[in-house]
Amino acid sequence: AQTVTQSQPEMSVQEAETVTLSCTYDTSESDYYLFWYKQPPSRQMILVIRQEAYKQQNATENRFSVNFQKAAKSFSLKISDSQLGDAAMYFCAYRSGSGGSNYKLTFGKGTLLTVNP
Amino acid sequence: DTGVSQNPRHKITKRGQNVTFRCDPISEHNRLYWYRQTLGQGPEFLTYFQNEAQLEKSRLLSDRFSAERPKGSFSTLEIQRTEQGDSAMYLCASSLYGQGTDTQYFGPGTRLTVL
Repeated sequence: AQTVTQSQPEMSVQEAETVTLSCTYDTSESDYYLFWYKQPPSRQMILVIRQEAYKQQNATENRFSVNFQKAAKSFSLKISDSQLGDAAMYFCAYRSGSGGSNYKLTFGKGTLLTVNP
Repeated sequence: DTGVSQNPRHKITKRGQNVTFRCDPISEHNRLYWYRQTLGQGPEFLTYFQNEAQLEKSRLLSDRFSAERPKGSFSTLEIQRTEQGDSAMYLCASSLYGQGTDTQYFGPGTRLTVL
């Protein structure tokens, strides 16, 4: 079974600075997707960024980018120019790409990000 | 294009009572998922539907839990004879399978408290 580990329960960053959230995963599959979701307090989970395992290029969405290291099974999220609205719980998630359990997301325990003004 | 909606947002019940939650997915999405999230944890998969067919159920889903998706539209999740351990946030998500990356979009959740 696949597992996702987020080793940082909490992180903090100053507004306008850069922060990196860590995620590692364990799988024997070669075809899969990785996701970062953001869950603000008392609000719904929002997709931040998605990475297909077959793509070597790291995904980028505006101020959010990932460092995908397939061999190391590492998938970190970098938030640049942090804003107060970035404060939230961030979840790393894994999904199989084809066959098998290609329907369910497996989540890490999350990292609570605080942004200080 | 409205997002995934869930009702009620909060539910407080006494142990032993039955509760039912509703999820309305994004229109045209053919897959619908239920997850459970307890405090300090990431969401855990419970079950999913493709159209009206329930294709997979997690071992977390005891016999007291039942889910339906009649006509492949909205879905309901019922918990019978609730226990205090059922207290959690129940999240619904939907996706469009077969076209693109099948990304799951989440609703706001229903927070269940069992007294």
